[in-house]
Amino acid sequence: NAGVTQTPKFQVLKTGQSMTLQCAQDMNHEYMSWYRQDPGMGLRLIHYSVGAGITDQGEVPNGYNVSRSTTEDFPLRLLSAAPSQTSVYFCASSCILDRRVTDTQYFGPGTRLTVL
Amino acid sequence: DQQVKQNSPSLSVQEGRISILNCDYTNSMFDYFLWYKKYPAEGPTFLISISSIKDKNEDGRFTVFLNKSAKHLSLHIVPSQPGDSAVYFCAAREEGGGADGLTFGKGTHLIIQP
Repeated sequence: NAGVTQTPKFQVLKTGQSMTLQCAQDMNHEYMSWYRQDPGMGLRLIHYSVGAGITDQGEVPNGYNVSRSTTEDFPLRLLSAAPSQTSVYFCASSCILDRRVTDTQYFGPGTRLTVL
Repeated sequence: DQQVKQNSPSLSVQEGRISILNCDYTNSMFDYFLWYKKYPAEGPTFLISISSIKDKNEDGRFTVFLNKSAKHLSLHIVPSQPGDSAVYFCAAREEGGGADGLTFGKGTHLIIQP
């Protein structure tokens, strides 16, 4: 069981470039999410998904797109990177029980992104 | 407006002593609270949680206390060990919510000194 995996671990982009951060989980979790963590800040929810084909916005969705074509994968796309998107990005997953997302999440190791 | 506050960015404790990490919240609708632990270059991992119907939850060396009237919770680690050195995040959600409704604090960096 690999749990939640993220690629790449590190990435440097120039302003205006696009890229996709990959996230995969092998626990058959319906719920997946993306957070960003900035220095001196807590984790902030970007987008989340409660199942294949279903996505929704979190607290800070602007500048990011997501899709969920399979249960396992939940990529995060930056269409035109900006320096304000320099951050550490974490993907997480958890179960849905009785139509409610369980509280404890499993996090990936993170992607450290720098936008110049 | 920060709804979950961890006012100590860092805390240094001697090995073997008690570590107490504090968390305050402003949203009176929060009714479930979690602590996550994070090592450098790794993702956070769930540590312990507490529901608002309780005022204490214990798991081995870790105990979380909840004071609803003060909107305050604390994580106690006894005895502190070197492997406890990490960043600890407090998180909270409203009744009926789940992981999609979590609000995180900024974290406290705990350093256990030998």
